Amino acid sequence: QKEVEQDPGPLSVPEGAIVSLNCTYSNSAFQYFMWYRQYSRKGPELLMYTYSSGNKEDGRFTAQVDKSSKYISLFIRDSQPSDSATYLCAPRAGGSYIPTFGRGTSLIVHP
Amino acid sequence: EAQVTQNPRYLITVTGKKLTVTCSQNMNHEYMSWYRQDPGLGLRQIYYSMNVEVTDKGDVPEGYKVSRKEKRNFPLILESPSPNQTSLYFCASSLLASGVSDTQYFGPGTRLTVL
Repeated sequence: QKEVEQDPGPLSVPEGAIVSLNCTYSNSAFQYFMWYRQYSRKGPELLMYTYSSGNKEDGRFTAQVDKSSKYISLFIRDSQPSDSATYLCAPRAGGSYIPTFGRGTSLIVHP
Repeated sequence: EAQVTQNPRYLITVTGKKLTVTCSQNMNHEYMSWYRQDPGLGLRQIYYSMNVEVTDKGDVPEGYKVSRKEKRNFPLILESPSPNQTSLYFCASSLLASGVSDTQYFGPGTRLTVL
């Protein structure tokens, strides 16, 4: 079992939809949880960062972590075609500087 | 402008011909790393460096070498490339400070094809 599991998709939604992207993980030591966004033919860029369990909101994006079930979510409200990208979750353990990347979920938002 | 640069962006080579992919960052970051990205396998770390002259293996180091003689540069060396090293390569850097270290800045990628 990989440490971080992500459904590769693609996930195709109409513009304006609420999108839910998810990861599961197996390492109980993970304390920091990042979401990176990667556009086609570009390097990943940090989108959201959360520590431990709970929610964090930034504009149309909400990151949610449930450490008890080892489940990470990224919600996108009012999705736009410009949100079409691959989203990678990347948790890491406390005391480590090295995140473990999921395989990424490809999101397509069509007009 | 703060950035990570990689060169070349595209490279087609033949088996066994040594090559170097350069990586440079202008943000004075201590941490630098190389990843390869393959369909269905995601990002896998090859090597990383915590500072000058400090390097360590990631998950898939076989067939690769790195060096960190200067803080800004972290070249990736393939001494004898093989077709299974055909991939998309990313260099990344970050500051080693609590809460900040997770912001890894990625380069634009190098698409390598080994024939």
